[in-house]
Amino acid sequence: QVHQVESGGGLVKPGGSLSLSCAVSGFTFSDSNMAWVRQAPGKGLEWVAWISASGASIHYAESVKGRFTVSRDNAKSSLHLQMNSLRAGDTAIYYCARESGYGWAIFDYWGQGTVVTVSS
Amino acid sequence: DIQMTQSPSSLSASVGDTVTITCRASRNINNYLNWYQQKLGKAPKLLIYTTSRLQSGVPSRFSGSGSGTDFTLTINSVQPEDFGTYYCQQSSSIPYTFGQGAKLDI
Repeated sequence: QVHQVESGGGLVKPGGSLSLSCAVSGFTFSDSNMAWVRQAPGKGLEWVAWISASGASIHYAESVKGRFTVSRDNAKSSLHLQMNSLRAGDTAIYYCARESGYGWAIFDYWGQGTVVTVSS
Repeated sequence: DIQMTQSPSSLSASVGDTVTITCRASRNINNYLNWYQQKLGKAPKLLIYTTSRLQSGVPSRFSGSGSGTDFTLTINSVQPEDFGTYYCQQSSSIPYTFGQGAKLDI
């Protein structure tokens, strides 16, 4: 059974940093591309970042490029998102999502999310 | 970026109705269109991928169609458990954009 559990969310001041993690089990993590998707309060879904199975290829949304860094530890089956220079607009639930084997950016498993609040 | 526009933004249905939600892309995405269902306080759930392929475990009353820029999600004989918000998402090119959502009330 697949489990994806995000952690690391919390309250942070504008300009601050936060590090999110997603612990994965139930599938071969090192074979799967992964992504972070966020959802601002009462809003829709926004793709944030994508990382290939090996970690060699990474893509970011323009809104976070230069501030966020996605990484993974295949030995520990974990996905990470380092968030720097946080803004109020980064306030959201952050989900880690597995890219299915059906094709690019088809996300078949999602974690329950971790809440990030950026406020003074 | 490819903009995804869903309509309607909200809709109400009775049990047994047929419901249709449309999604329009700002440019051709071929058939790289996926649909997700999200219930309040829960993570999104993949329903349909690549326009019309039903994800494993999803009831057959859900179906998808379309090509190019115009796509449709249809729910035949809506059930009480189908309430929630439905999002389309294009996987044709980065950034992978979502529609704004369509909230279905039963």
